[in-house]
Amino acid sequence: DQQVKQNSPSLSVQEGRISILNCDYTNSMFDYFLWYKKYPAEGPTFLISISSIKDKNEDGRFTVFLNKSAKHLSLHIVPSQPGDSAVYFCAASGGTQGGSEKLVFGKGTKLTVNP
Amino acid sequence: SAVISQKPSRDICQRGTSLTIQCQVDSQVTMMFWYRQQPGQSLTLIATANQGSEATYESGFVIDKFPISRPNLTFSTLTVSNMSPEDSSIYLCSAGLADTQYFGPGTRLTVL
Repeated sequence: DQQVKQNSPSLSVQEGRISILNCDYTNSMFDYFLWYKKYPAEGPTFLISISSIKDKNEDGRFTVFLNKSAKHLSLHIVPSQPGDSAVYFCAASGGTQGGSEKLVFGKGTKLTVNP
Repeated sequence: SAVISQKPSRDICQRGTSLTIQCQVDSQVTMMFWYRQQPGQSLTLIATANQGSEATYESGFVIDKFPISRPNLTFSTLTVSNMSPEDSSIYLCSAGLADTQYFGPGTRLTVL
């Protein structure tokens, strides 16, 4: 039973346009959500997070939106750059922070940004 | 943030043998975690390793198969015991710091 779902295995966008990566979850006990980026042969790199008490968090080109009633979050990258090409993982935690609790991951979405 | 290194980066092992993976963090952390990523799958938590106490294992993972050590606040090891081809995966450690977990580069294990 997959509690965190990323239903799009891949996404391709043009450089300069917006990339939107989606994530759905089923466990209403999740309170904290994180996005990671992973290049081949490297470990996941933390990008941005959001607490369930917020509906938006922004950091530079990256914005995460949370719709708690729909159990849905999305990561927006604007503008997209070729260096953003990677696999993006959505993760959820049952605690109020991501550093002290188990993270449950989706399967990832491979983003390709074309020059 | 934290910088995490893992050794070895990859290995090819024979079934029935064991491999110990080392994880080093550049700062002291209370919480360390071990994950596995099987081919085409998401990252799955194996266990949580706290310094000074026994590791806490997730459902489906047992200490006899995946013994873990946590001798201090910057280091941990995971052993994959009596390996079978089904253990072929990427094994990752992470360190918990405040709001997030920082991951090592992973160990790619192939069992023949």
